[in-house]
Amino acid sequence: SQTIHQWPATLVQPVGSPLSLECTVEGTSNPNLYWYRQAAGRGLQLLFYSVGIGQISSEVPQNLSASRPQDRQFILSSKKLLLSDSGFYLCAWSLGQGRKQPQHFGDGTRLSIL
Amino acid sequence: EDKVVQSPLSLVVHEGDTVTLNCSYEVTNFRSLLWYKQEKKAPTFLFMLTSSGIEKKSGRLSSILDKKELFSILNITATQTGDSAVYLCAVGDPNFGNEKLTFGTGTRLTIIP
Repeated sequence: SQTIHQWPATLVQPVGSPLSLECTVEGTSNPNLYWYRQAAGRGLQLLFYSVGIGQISSEVPQNLSASRPQDRQFILSSKKLLLSDSGFYLCAWSLGQGRKQPQHFGDGTRLSIL
Repeated sequence: EDKVVQSPLSLVVHEGDTVTLNCSYEVTNFRSLLWYKQEKKAPTFLFMLTSSGIEKKSGRLSSILDKKELFSILNITATQTGDSAVYLCAVGDPNFGNEKLTFGTGTRLTIIP
């Protein structure tokens, strides 16, 4: 069966510091991968998605970036964090190749910017 | 801009009650509607609906989609304290990759013992 791992679970960072959040999926190959942010009182907002290694699409302009260096690894990064980057970050995966399948989420990273 | 609206925003009921959660949507390209349950961390998948009028059921939970009126409901019968969670509705758009999901803000359900 497939599993998704996301770390760290919580992170406290100062404004202006860099960020790296990692997500890996096991038990499947060539999944679609997604990064979401969930702000308090708001719905999940899609940040990035990837349909393959090195293929990243951005949904919203921001100071965050994503990379997919391996088939089942997805990384969310920032060179300089802003206060507005605080939130709950969720990674998700779904079966790829255009199949109509639901997304499955990791446990998330709660990011606080001081 | 695609929009998903859930109601009520929050709901408090007693154990054993039946609840109905609502999700309405306005999207450019509809593909599917999904329900998730979020307790403290990861949203967990409940249902995916693609056809109108066909009820999906899992234990005490059931859901149905009305593509003409652009809404879905999630029913939970004989509620238990373990049903306390935020229930998220999302609509899928096929116009990129596989599925782009637009989420509502959720309904916070609290079950009182």
